[in-house]
Formats: sequence, structure tokens, C-alpha cells
Amino acid sequence: NAGVTQTPKFRILKIGQSMTLQCTQDMNHNYMYWYRQDPGMGLKLIYYSVGAGITDKGEVPNGYNVSRSTTEDFPLRLELAAPSQTSVYFCASSYGQRSYEQYFGPGTRLTVT
Amino acid sequence: AQKITQTQPGMFVQEKEAVTLDCTYDTSDPSYGLFWYKQPSSGEMIFLIYQGSYDQQNATEGRYSLNFQKARKSANLVISASQLGDSAMYFCAMRDNFGNEKLTFGTGTRLTIIP
Repeated sequence: NAGVTQTPKFRILKIGQSMTLQCTQDMNHNYMYWYRQDPGMGLKLIYYSVGAGITDKGEVPNGYNVSRSTTEDFPLRLELAAPSQTSVYFCASSYGQRSYEQYFGPGTRLTVT
Repeated sequence: AQKITQTQPGMFVQEKEAVTLDCTYDTSDPSYGLFWYKQPSSGEMIFLIYQGSYDQQNATEGRYSLNFQKARKSANLVISASQLGDSAMYFCAMRDNFGNEKLTFGTGTRLTIIP
């Protein structure tokens, strides 16, 4: 049981490039989330999904897209990367139905230069 | 909208002493959950403790306890007998109990345990 896995761990992008951050969970969780953490700050919700085929915007969705074609995977797409997207990105999942805990992946550190 | 406030950017505590990390929240929802997460320098988010808004008793998990004062909208984390390994960032978070269960995080408190 690997929990929530994220790839890559680190990435440097040039301004205007695109990339996809991968997130996979093997706990059969319905709910999945993408957060970003800027230096010295708390986490802010980018997008979330309550099940396969269902996604919705969080607090800071601009510049990102997501899809949820399976229960296990929830990739985050960055189009036209900007320096403001330099951050650490965390994927999380939970059972839903008022489960106690969100399980977090190890994070992806992204730098846009 | 939900909001979490952590007013202590940093704290220094002597090893073996108890420490209280402050958290206040604001919400209009009658049902919500409050969480504390620990983030060590390695970066991962570690779940510590949970308190439901309707729970009658304060939550406890080993050396962690949550001092929940609903009328004051506060959910302070108490760590007893602090250890060097407790040095980390600590985040308070609130969960919406209706629908998407997304978490709203505070800005965190950096705790440093002094030997």
C-alpha cells in the first residue's frame, strides 16, 4: 500500500513551458485534491475531485487544469508556466463521507525561471 | 467563507516542556472539522489530530491534545513533554463538512525545540 504518490519530486521549467504533475492513490479514495504551498505559507486548494469524471475549482485555479478519468489518478496540468507558479505542490486524497483524514503525497517542488 | 488564523509565526520551547500552538477559526457552517498537521523540514504533511465540531470531548492522540473552545472559535494544539523531533512547522486546518470536504489551512507556526 503506497498511499499517495507524486511524480516528479523536483522540476525546473522555463517560462511558457507546460507540464503535468502526476498523482496516484491506491486506497480507493473517492476524493482527491491539489494544493500549492508558497514559501512560508499554508496550503491553498487549486482543484479537487469528488469522484471519477467530476472536478471543481478551488481557491487558486488560474493557470491549471485537471482531469479525473479513474479513481486512482488525478493529474494536474500547468499550461504556459509563469514564475508565480513556483511552489511546492501537494496531492491529497480522502474517503469522503466525513472521513477524518486527508492523506498527502510527498510533494513536487516546481521552479519556473 | 472559512478562515483559519495562526498568530504565532515562530516559537522556541525548551525540551520536555509543554507547548501550546494557537489556532482560531471563522465559519458560518454548523458542522465542521478541525485538524492539525505537522510539516518537518523534509516537507511531508503528517496528520496529528482531529476534532469534530459536535464532539463533546477534546481530542487526544498520545502527546497531542486539542483544546477546543467552540464559543471562542479556538482549537489550540497542546504538545506535552516536547521532544527535539517536534521541531517543525505546524498547520491548523478546517474542513467543510458539506460536500467536497476541502481543507482551509492557516499560515502555520514554526516550532523549535531547544535542547
